[in-house]
Amino acid sequence: KAGVTQTPRYLIKTRGQQVTLSCSPISGHRSVSWYQQTPGQGLQFLFEYFSETQRNKGNFPGRFSGRQFSNSRSEMNVSTLELGDSALYLCASSLGGRKNSPLHFGNGTRLTVT
Amino acid sequence: DAKTTQPNSMESNEEEPVHLPCNHSTISGTDYIHWYRQLPSQGPEYVIHGLTSNVNNRMASLAIAEDRKSSTLILHRATLRDAAVYYCILRNAGGTSYGKLTFGQGTILTVHP
Repeated sequence: KAGVTQTPRYLIKTRGQQVTLSCSPISGHRSVSWYQQTPGQGLQFLFEYFSETQRNKGNFPGRFSGRQFSNSRSEMNVSTLELGDSALYLCASSLGGRKNSPLHFGNGTRLTVT
Repeated sequence: DAKTTQPNSMESNEEEPVHLPCNHSTISGTDYIHWYRQLPSQGPEYVIHGLTSNVNNRMASLAIAEDRKSSTLILHRATLRDAAVYYCILRNAGGTSYGKLTFGQGTILTVHP
């Protein structure tokens, strides 16, 4: 069974631009969640989607948004990029139906904002 | 939000048991305790999770205090491949915070040959 796939693996953008990151969950998984990882702040929860609906959100500004498609694939968008948005963005999928089914993480997209 | 506290780092020798502690004094009744580990340049990997009772799987054991304010991840025989950052995470399973995760800073485990 293929794992969680995130594309692209690396991305370089300039301040003010916007970026879209993609996540393909494990087949059969209906929940997708996103996280930001930085050396200073560690792992921080961004949001979680289940069956195309956002069911929880972390404490990030509105520049960070996401969506989930009917095939459970998810995208995350960051608009008006700032230098502080440079981070590793991780996506995780889970069955979702069982409330505490384990999360399966992808290897992330490394975003650098210059 | 319920927080977790872990030691910044721990060291162990290969083939010896490792006990990784985590404090979560503000845990709620609907928070599950999850452990994940992360190797360099990889996403976190699920290790184990539990609610109230101790749990065992092929990777590790999870010991949960009776008052649930702390827990310990036990690696029975550390190998060099166990060297990673270990995260203790509270995962809410009820109310409006369903699915919201709270991360600790993680413990860097070094395993010596």
